[in-house]
Amino acid sequence: KAGVTQTPRYLIKTRGQQVTLSCSPISGHRSVSWYQQTPGQGLQFLFEYFSETQRNKGNFPGRFSGRQFSNSRSEMNVSTLELGDSALYLCASSGPSGRLETQYFGPGTRLLVL
Amino acid sequence: GENVEQHPSTLSVQEGDSAVIKCTYSDSASNYFPWYKQELGKGPQLIIDIRSNVGEKKDQRIAVTLNKTAKHFSLHITETQPEDSAVYFCAASTDSWGKLQFGAGTQVVVTP
Repeated sequence: KAGVTQTPRYLIKTRGQQVTLSCSPISGHRSVSWYQQTPGQGLQFLFEYFSETQRNKGNFPGRFSGRQFSNSRSEMNVSTLELGDSALYLCASSGPSGRLETQYFGPGTRLLVL
Repeated sequence: GENVEQHPSTLSVQEGDSAVIKCTYSDSASNYFPWYKQELGKGPQLIIDIRSNVGEKKDQRIAVTLNKTAKHFSLHITETQPEDSAVYFCAASTDSWGKLQFGAGTQVVVTP
């Protein structure tokens, strides 16, 4: 069974640009969560989608948004990038009911904002 | 909101010895406590978890204990091996879906 895949794996952007990250969950998983990982703040929850609906949301500004498609694939978007958005963005899928006990993380997308 | 504190931040152990990592949480409504292992260049991997209606859970060399009254839980690794070297994270959640509050992580180094 293929694991959670994230694309791209590495990305370099400049301040003010926007970026879209993609996550393909494990087959049969219906929940996708996104986390930001930085050395200073650690792992922080961004949001969670289940069956195309946002079910949970963390404390990030509105520049961070996401969506989930009917095939459970998810994208997250960050608009007007800031230097502090440089981080490893992790996607995790859970399923089929979306319970945390079944959660698997992908390898992450490393974003560098210059 | 929930706050999870994790100690120590680094832990160096000799191969074969035991390692213990401790976490405390603030929200008494938290009922799910997983532990993750993250190796370099990889995402976190769930290694063991416990629910609030259980005091202890063991899986081979790994065990987790939970003290709901004191609001703390611990990870115990026995007979450590070099492949146990990684960053370990504790986390807590008030429900069964989505939002996990993570601790800051513990860098474990097992020396042969």
